[in-house]
Amino acid sequence: KAGVTQTPRYLIKTRGQQVTLSCSPISGHRSVSWYQQTPGQGLQFLFEYFSETQRNKGNFPGRFSGRQFSNSRSEMNVSTLELGDSALYLCASSLGALAPTYEQYFGPGTRLTVT
Amino acid sequence: GDSVTQMEGPVTLSEEAFLTINCTYTATGYPSLFWYVQYPGEGLQLLLKATKADDKGSNKGFEATYRKETTSFHLEKGSVQVSDSAVYFCAQHTGKLIFGQGTTLQVKP
Repeated sequence: KAGVTQTPRYLIKTRGQQVTLSCSPISGHRSVSWYQQTPGQGLQFLFEYFSETQRNKGNFPGRFSGRQFSNSRSEMNVSTLELGDSALYLCASSLGALAPTYEQYFGPGTRLTVT
Repeated sequence: GDSVTQMEGPVTLSEEAFLTINCTYTATGYPSLFWYVQYPGEGLQLLLKATKADDKGSNKGFEATYRKETTSFHLEKGSVQVSDSAVYFCAQHTGKLIFGQGTTLQVKP
């Protein structure tokens, strides 16, 4: 079974631009979560989608948004990029959102650099 | 709020040494607990998990026991290898995954 895939793997953007990252979950998984990883703040939860609905949201500004499609694929968007948005963005998928199906499997991440 | 605290790294060990990475958590409920490992340039891999008190998770020689009385989930391995060099994250799930800050392990031949 294929794992979680994320595209693109690397991205360089300029301040003020916007960016869209994509995540394809493991086949059959209906929940997708996004995390931001930085050296200073570590791993922080952005949001979780289950069956196209946002189920949970972390403490990030409204510039960060996401969505999930009917095939469970998910995208996250960051508008008006700031230098501090430079990070590794990780996507994780799970069968469901509740115990015992919420075991999460991570993709390789998208490395975003904002200049 | 809910949180996870791990011992500071880096941890440097010789091959075949015993490993302990401490992890404690604070939670209002009874979370499931996880250890993830991240190799350079890669995403996180689930190493092991425990879903209730006194459960022991194990995988690839690593073990951790869910201790409710001490709110701990320490990671142990009896004999580390160079290939175990990576960053290890402890996490709890309470509707979302909350991670510790990560502990870098370096194993020298």
